[in-house]
Amino acid sequence: SQKIEQNSEALNIQEGKTATLTCNYTNYSPAYLQWYRQDPGRGPVFLLLIRENEKEKRKERLKVTFDTTLKQSLFHITASQPADSATYLCALDPNNYGQNFVFGPGTRLSVLP
Amino acid sequence: EAQVTQNPRYLITVTGKKLTVTCSQNMNHEYMSWYRQDPGLGLRQIYYSMNVEVTDKGDVPEGYKVSRKEKRNFPLILESPSPNQTSLYFCASSSPSRQTNTGELFFGEGSRLTVL
Repeated sequence: SQKIEQNSEALNIQEGKTATLTCNYTNYSPAYLQWYRQDPGRGPVFLLLIRENEKEKRKERLKVTFDTTLKQSLFHITASQPADSATYLCALDPNNYGQNFVFGPGTRLSVLP
Repeated sequence: EAQVTQNPRYLITVTGKKLTVTCSQNMNHEYMSWYRQDPGLGLRQIYYSMNVEVTDKGDVPEGYKVSRKEKRNFPLILESPSPNQTSLYFCASSSPSRQTNTGELFFGEGSRLTVL
């Protein structure tokens, strides 16, 4: 069956450290994968997209990798801050046409001061 | 300001009383979709629409209806709500991924529905 999983339901780290979140998928062949941030009571907000031919993508303190062999994406936040505390969702597009996205269950990140 | 607007944000209703959650976007996006979010299950797609008068089922369409009569609006209709439809609902819009660099979804702020 098709599945998309995020390795931790919750992750606590100290301020200043690098947070690493994992997204694994099974029986999909996505051409790209996205990461979103969701704050409590708010809608998800798009952060980054990485395509299958890209090994790594960066945006400020964020870095995403995509390994189609391992069927895994890693999401890193360097020099983490308490303001980075949120739930992070990975999403893929099974048909690769931007119609119906499948989301992982999310990882709730808490950055402790 | 580019946005997706949902109403109502909060609603408590009773079993069987028809309700509609409205969704409107001002970005001229072709694609619109509805998701529900439940603890432990994440976001699941209910219905999506590729353009006006074109809609299709997502992963959990049972008990819901949608319509797309105008490009900007995509209401979600619960004809006879039941307690298992108690959830947090999100509307989203996007442009087809072949036309944009990101194909990102723009979400509304959510509508928390409780069915008693």
